[in-house]
Amino acid sequence: SQQGEEDPQALSIQEGENATMNCSYKTSINNLQWYRQNSGRGLVHLILIRSNEREKHSGRLRVTLDTSKKSSSLLITASRAADTASYFCATDAGPLAAGNKLTFGGGTRVLVKP
Amino acid sequence: NAGVMQNPRHLVRRRGQEARLRCSPMKGHSHVYWYRQLPEEGLKFMVYLQKENIIDESGMPKERFSAEFPKEGPSILRIQQVVRGDSAAYFCASSRADTQYFGPGTRLTVL
Repeated sequence: SQQGEEDPQALSIQEGENATMNCSYKTSINNLQWYRQNSGRGLVHLILIRSNEREKHSGRLRVTLDTSKKSSSLLITASRAADTASYFCATDAGPLAAGNKLTFGGGTRVLVKP
Repeated sequence: NAGVMQNPRHLVRRRGQEARLRCSPMKGHSHVYWYRQLPEEGLKFMVYLQKENIIDESGMPKERFSAEFPKEGPSILRIQQVVRGDSAAYFCASSRADTQYFGPGTRLTVL
């Protein structure tokens, strides 16, 4: 079974709107990472949030983490057509401090219409 | 600063042939990971290596798949006697600590 599950599976918005996607996971984690994947391409690392952090910002991205609910959200503000991509959350559940495998969810496919 | 490099980007093999996928990590990164992605799905972990050592191979199929990361040269993921079900995108990632950086992937098609 997947550690991370994204919701929704697909999202269609107009340029300028905000896009919010959620990720739920099952076990305790060291950190949670969000990635973007454009069609047919590799993954681009967006942001990493550690288990002792609750919120993190990077440009137009805002990530929250609620370890009590085992969930995270990614908010993209003022979306652009170039934000069209699939977004994946990935959890690092240890047991090491570093060098652990990531467990990915199925992704949220975001379409930003101009 | 070159990112993670993978080659080839596309690989076509007939059933029963061998596939060799190469990955050069980012400079200064000693951790290498391989993941597989089927169409419309997320990535699935296969194996984690450091130089000359396999640290975690819990995601590797028991047969036909092997991986190495020699002292010199790139990491290699080897699939022997490929079958149609091996068709997928194979991604390599590297890290120095906890952030993993991904290569562009190798898309394997088995005819």
